[in-house]
Amino acid sequence: NAGVTQTPKFQVLKTGQSMTLQCAQDMNHEYMSWYRQDPGMGLRLIHYSVGAGITDQGEVPNGYNVSRSTTEDFPLRLLSAAPSQTSVYFCASSYSGGLSYEQYFGPGTRLTVT
Amino acid sequence: GQQVMQIPQYQHVQEGEDFTTYCNSSTTLSNIQWYKQRPGGHPVFLIQLVKSGEVKKQKRLTFQFGEAKKNSSLHITATQTTDVGTYFCAGLQIFGNEKLTFGTGTRLTIIP
Repeated sequence: NAGVTQTPKFQVLKTGQSMTLQCAQDMNHEYMSWYRQDPGMGLRLIHYSVGAGITDQGEVPNGYNVSRSTTEDFPLRLLSAAPSQTSVYFCASSYSGGLSYEQYFGPGTRLTVT
Repeated sequence: GQQVMQIPQYQHVQEGEDFTTYCNSSTTLSNIQWYKQRPGGHPVFLIQLVKSGEVKKQKRLTFQFGEAKKNSSLHITATQTTDVGTYFCAGLQIFGNEKLTFGTGTRLTIIP
């Protein structure tokens, strides 16, 4: 199993550009989520999904969109990039019990917005 | 909202010394999870504690969950260079919507 994969690993955007961060998992996990990690602030939940077709907002959803058309994929879209979105983004998945089970994290995408 | 505080933010220890990080929640938790993130890497699950007062050990690592289920600690005995990284706790709250809140992490560096 590849586990949780994320692409790209690094990305530089100009303010106002849009892009999609890709996340895929091959463990048949129902629960998937996106976090951002900023220095001194730990991991903050952006959006999550409890299954295909179902998504919900986390702690810091503004400026981001998600969709879940398949169990495997959970892309994160930045609508109009801002310097405040410079961060490291992690996708995670877990079994259908959701947060009661360990989260498997992808390798992360390091995003810089200039 | 739920807050999970973790102290200290940084810890530098001589190799062979012990290390402890503490996690405190503003609300009662259903369970608490611990993760380790190596420099440049991603968080990796270490353990989950569910019961009040629970203590679990993994080799040199000892994890405790408080009696009131609002605090937790991770203690490493005789640190080694392989212990370098940031340790995060994550508290699960299940009142209303389930919510997993990560602490700010403790970055451990080892002085050889």
